[in-house]
Amino acid sequence: AQSVAQPEDQVNVAEGNPLTVKCTYSVSGNPYLFWYVQYPNRGLQFLLKYITGDNLVKGSYGFEAEFNKSQTSFHLKKPSALVSDSALYFCAVSAVNTDKLIFGTGTRLQVFP
Amino acid sequence: DTGVSQDPRHKITKRGQNVTFRCDPISEHNRLYWYRQTLGQGPEFLTYFQNEAQLEKSRLLSDRFSAERPKGSFSTLEIQRTEQGDSAMYLCASSSTGGNQPQHFGDGTRLSIL
Repeated sequence: AQSVAQPEDQVNVAEGNPLTVKCTYSVSGNPYLFWYVQYPNRGLQFLLKYITGDNLVKGSYGFEAEFNKSQTSFHLKKPSALVSDSALYFCAVSAVNTDKLIFGTGTRLQVFP
Repeated sequence: DTGVSQDPRHKITKRGQNVTFRCDPISEHNRLYWYRQTLGQGPEFLTYFQNEAQLEKSRLLSDRFSAERPKGSFSTLEIQRTEQGDSAMYLCASSSTGGNQPQHFGDGTRLSIL
């Protein structure tokens, strides 16, 4: 069965420092991978996706993610964190032969001034 | 692109009552999804439509839940005889056809059962 794991409940980083939010996945076949961000009392906003091709995917608001097939990981990264990046981040995989998304439990990112 | 719209944003009701939520997808999107999110968890898939056809239902969707998309545009999600465990955020998303297309989410309907 397909699954996504986000091993960190919370990540703390100082403004201006690089950030990484970790995600690993388990899926049969080639994965479609996504990152979403959620602000309080709001829905999820799409950040980026990996379908095929380059392992480094660039997305919205300066975020990027690195796909690593051998480690079955899809970590979210940003070179320089902003206080406004503080939010809840979800990694998701699109299940094989269906378009439903399977989400991780989320990682709360806290960026301190 | 006006985004996915959900109504109401908040619903408070007593246990045993029926509730109905509405979702208006992005107009050119033919896929529409419903998810449920409880506190501290990621969204869990409930069901999805392609146009007016309901293509998949989760086992989470008990017989008290029903979803429709009668004209392939807006969708409704009804919960009958609500229970305490139904308290959650109900999220709607829409996308173009294909698993590699990102789903765009509305701001959700937060349901609280008294």
